[in-house]
Amino acid sequence: NAGVMQNPRHLVRRRGQEARLRCSPMKGHSHVYWYRQLPEEGLKFMVYLQKENIIDESGMPKERFSAEFPKEGPSILRIQQVVRGDSAAYFCASSVTHPRGFNEKLFFGSGTQLSVL
Amino acid sequence: DQQVKQNSPSLSVQEGRISILNCDYTNSMFDYFLWYKKYPAEGPTFLISISSIKDKNEDGRFTVFLNKSAKHLSLHIVPSQPGDSAVYFCAASASGSARQLTFGSGTQLTVLP
Repeated sequence: NAGVMQNPRHLVRRRGQEARLRCSPMKGHSHVYWYRQLPEEGLKFMVYLQKENIIDESGMPKERFSAEFPKEGPSILRIQQVVRGDSAAYFCASSVTHPRGFNEKLFFGSGTQLSVL
Repeated sequence: DQQVKQNSPSLSVQEGRISILNCDYTNSMFDYFLWYKKYPAEGPTFLISISSIKDKNEDGRFTVFLNKSAKHLSLHIVPSQPGDSAVYFCAASASGSARQLTFGSGTQLTVLP
């Protein structure tokens, strides 16, 4: 009963490098969400994707951040030219398609802790 | 601008007693509310939810109460067990928000044996 799988669990990058975070949704789930948790704060929505489509990226910074969910393979959250302020826990979640289109619950992965030196 | 607020960063309760975790919100467009539980080094786990058309939802030891006029919800856990010790996040969403959840900052619950 595989849940939402995220890797790596921990990622260390130096300032200016690129970070790639991967997320495989639960089996049968076609919706993926990325959230970021800064220290001492709650999770903040970044982006919502379906296969090959970005549905809502209103929470994602306009520069340096991008996300994709290709037809085959995991969803990728990519952060270019990382800065110290990008250090956070990044959580991926997935959900099934709900006939009403909203209000279904999200299943979260264990997160990737990104540390920027 | 925090739209979902959990004003108590921590709460300690004796095993067997009731735990009450509180959450306030400011956005009147929110119509669906959820509680998630999070253990260290794990992702949040869904606990219980409530729609704005209800004022109470119960699931075993967990009950969520919603007071729309006060824009306040609470999670009651009774009886509390040591395994309930975790961070509890309140979250809210608005219709048509593409499932975007707004989370509070969390409350660390410690249940003492």
